[in-house]
Amino acid sequence: NAGVTQTPKFQVLKTGQSMTLQCAQDMNHNSMYWYRQDPGMGLRLIYYSASEGTTDKGEVPNGYNVSRLNKREFSLRLESAAPSQTSVYFCASSEGSTGNTIYFGEGSWLTVV
Amino acid sequence: AQKITQTQPGMFVQEKEAVTLDCTYDTSDQSYGLFWYKQPSSGEMIFLIYQGSYDEQNATEGRYSLNFQKARKSANLVISASQLGDSAMYFCAMREGAGNQFYFGTGTSLTVIP
Repeated sequence: NAGVTQTPKFQVLKTGQSMTLQCAQDMNHNSMYWYRQDPGMGLRLIYYSASEGTTDKGEVPNGYNVSRLNKREFSLRLESAAPSQTSVYFCASSEGSTGNTIYFGEGSWLTVV
Repeated sequence: AQKITQTQPGMFVQEKEAVTLDCTYDTSDQSYGLFWYKQPSSGEMIFLIYQGSYDEQNATEGRYSLNFQKARKSANLVISASQLGDSAMYFCAMREGAGNQFYFGTGTSLTVIP
């Protein structure tokens, strides 16, 4: 009953450090997403992957890179963390048609100091 | 232009009363889906209800119903008989056509008062 699993749940980084957020889904979904959530801003799409081997930029991709390692896994990398990247990050997945909902991981709380 | 607009940052409702959370959307697609999610203070995102653009009847799921007015491009969530556990952030979202992106609004914080 795992659904979407993301790690770590909490992380504190120093400015300039790098880190990777890991995400895996066990629902055999083609599409995977990374969102960030900031107060008053809702959920903003960072990157998404429509299928294995493809990735596309979302609304706020600057400062991030992603890898769709296989159908199950989609990682988000911060190469040189900045305080502006302090946020809650959600990984999500979905099947391809309009009527399919999106399933979220539990979120990763990232603080950059 | 914003794809999804939620104009109510915060709402209060008395326990057992009904409440409507507003959502308007912007799309030129004929086929699209509209979704509502609940985010309690614990942080997880919970899917509540879905409405397809071709659905003629408003969607209902238990105490949740979606008031879909296509001509006005609105998809308001109605929660009947509010409970204390309904206190949470609520997000409206849209998925266009066969696209893969979900567009979210900025959310409405609902507080249920005993």
